[in-house]
Parts: sequence; structure tokens; C-alpha cells
Amino acid sequence: GDSVTQTEGLVTVTEGLPVMLNCTYQTAYSDVAFFWYVQYLNEAPKLLLRSSTDNKRTEHQGFHATLHKSSSSFHLQKSSVQLSDSALYYCALSDLFSSGSWQLIFGSGTQLTVMP
Amino acid sequence: EAAVTQSPRSKVAVTGGKVTLSCHQTNNHDYMYWYRQDTGHGLRLIHYSYVADSTEKGDIPDGYKASRPSQENFSLILELASLSQTAVYFCASTGQLYAEQFFGPGTRLTVL
Repeated sequence: GDSVTQTEGLVTVTEGLPVMLNCTYQTAYSDVAFFWYVQYLNEAPKLLLRSSTDNKRTEHQGFHATLHKSSSSFHLQKSSVQLSDSALYYCALSDLFSSGSWQLIFGSGTQLTVMP
Repeated sequence: EAAVTQSPRSKVAVTGGKVTLSCHQTNNHDYMYWYRQDTGHGLRLIHYSYVADSTEKGDIPDGYKASRPSQENFSLILELASLSQTAVYFCASTGQLYAEQFFGPGTRLTVL
């Protein structure tokens, strides 16, 4: 079945520096969509980015991600992090066909901590 | 903005007791989901529903039941709560395929 891998459980970055959160996936299907969700402390996850187009950069709130089907990746990047970016970030994919139903498949999450 | 509410927001239950977590959405969404969140495991799907009076098993359904009595309401039921079910539970809804899922604020369940 489909799977999403986020290799870093914890990433610590100094304020003002760039960051990249890794996300790779496995799926047998071509009709899929990819998401980044962000969860601030004691809050609900909410959508940060969404993409389903290969090699197209998607941006929101200073973050960007590009879906690369050739490498099965959808890494999240930001050129200059802020203290307020400290949060838990989830990569997810959805497809209609793997289980005959539609659901999101989440990675295990990456906790980003921005240090002053 | 889409609104999903959950009750209770936190609960302490005893082992072997019955627990019901409730979710209500006012977005006219057809799809509703229950997830549990554990450190290191991320969000895992327990049950979901596409239409009232019908529920489907997700990835970790053992020990949980679900009920969708109406389009707006979706409940998660733990008939015999166990220590291992201590977690944060999120409900979510969406109206379209591949669209954003809107999450409720979560319920922190502690089983003692």
C-alpha cells in the first residue's frame, strides 16, 4: 500500500536560517495529491500546502514545496525560519484507488524547533 | 471557515469503562474521519465515514467502534477502554476528494 516517510523526527534550526523537511513516498498510483499539514502546540493540524502537479512549486506562508515524481519526494522548505514556525509538520498523500476509498496517509511527523 | 467541534476536550476514563467521543461539523461535508495521535506515530486513521449510517474501518480499528447517525455527527466509541488507548483523538471532515481535511480541536483521553 501507499506510505509516506519523514526521516527526521526532530529538526532544530536557528532563526533566520533555511530549513528543509524531508518527505518521500511510495505509491503505485499516478492520480494522487500531496499535502503538508502544520500543527502548533495544543492546536489542531491545518493545511499548509497542497500539490498534485509534478515539478510545480507551491508556496504558502513563506514555505514552499515541489512535487518530484521522479524521486518520489515532496520536501518542505523555507529560506528564513521564524520563531513562530516552531511546530509539528506532517506530510501526507491521498489517492482514491489504493483501498477503494479516499483517505489521507500521513507520515510520522517532523517537530521543527526554531532557536533564537 | 469550516467548523469541526469535538466533545469532550479532555477525559479521564477507567480501564474497562466505556468512552464515547463526539464530533460535530457544520460544513455539510460528506466525509468524516477519526484519528489518534501518538508521539512518534503521527496521525493514524481509526474509522471513517462517507455517508450517514455507514462507517468504514481505517488502519487501526481494533478496540474502537464508530457511529454516524447524521451527516453532521460522528462518534468514536471505546467499549472497554484500555491503557493503550491513552492518546489525543482528532476528528476531521472534508467535502471533496483530494481537498483539505478540516480538523477538530482534539480530545485528550487518559485511561487509568
